[in-house]
Amino acid sequence: DAGVTQSPTHLIKTRGQHVTLRCSPISGHKSVSWYQQVLGQGPQFIFQYYEKEERGRGNFPDRFSARQFPNYSSELNVNALLLGDSALYLCASSFVGALYEQYFGPGTRLTVT
Amino acid sequence: QQQVKQSPQSLIVQKGGIPIINCAYENTAFDYFPWYQQFPGKGPALLIAIRPDVSEKKEGRFTISFNKSAKQFSLHIMDSQPGDSATYFCAAALGSGNTGKLIFGQGTTLQVKP
Repeated sequence: DAGVTQSPTHLIKTRGQHVTLRCSPISGHKSVSWYQQVLGQGPQFIFQYYEKEERGRGNFPDRFSARQFPNYSSELNVNALLLGDSALYLCASSFVGALYEQYFGPGTRLTVT
Repeated sequence: QQQVKQSPQSLIVQKGGIPIINCAYENTAFDYFPWYQQFPGKGPALLIAIRPDVSEKKEGRFTISFNKSAKQFSLHIMDSQPGDSATYFCAAALGSGNTGKLIFGQGTTLQVKP
């Protein structure tokens, strides 16, 4: 069975630019969560979506937004990129009945220069 | 109250040894405690998880011990192997709530020497 897939794998952007990251959940999972992992730290929760609605939001600025599509895939958008946004962005999926049991994708490595 | 504190930051053991990684939490509303294993360049992989009504859970060579009164839990890796060398994260969540927000510890880098 395919796990969580994310694209692109790596991305280099310039300060001030916009970025869109994509995630496809495990088949049968209808919830998607996004996390930011800065080098040397644990993942930090950004958003959780299910039924195409935002169900949870972490302590991130409004420059961060996301959405979920009818096929349960998701996009994370970050506007006005800052150097500090450089990180591994992880997507995790779960069953709606077990939102906490999350399975992570390989992540997208974003570098902001 | 939302923090999960993990120790040690790094750990080196010989093959066959039993590394132990500890985590502590404050929020007594947490009721789901998973451990993740992460290799360089990969996403975290769910290893094992426990609920507060159980004091110990084993899956293969991995064991979680849970002390509800002390608000602490730990991961033991039996008969550790060089392939276990990775970063391990504990986490906590409100398992019974309507959100799956995981709060992660800072991570422990484990090196198992041959």
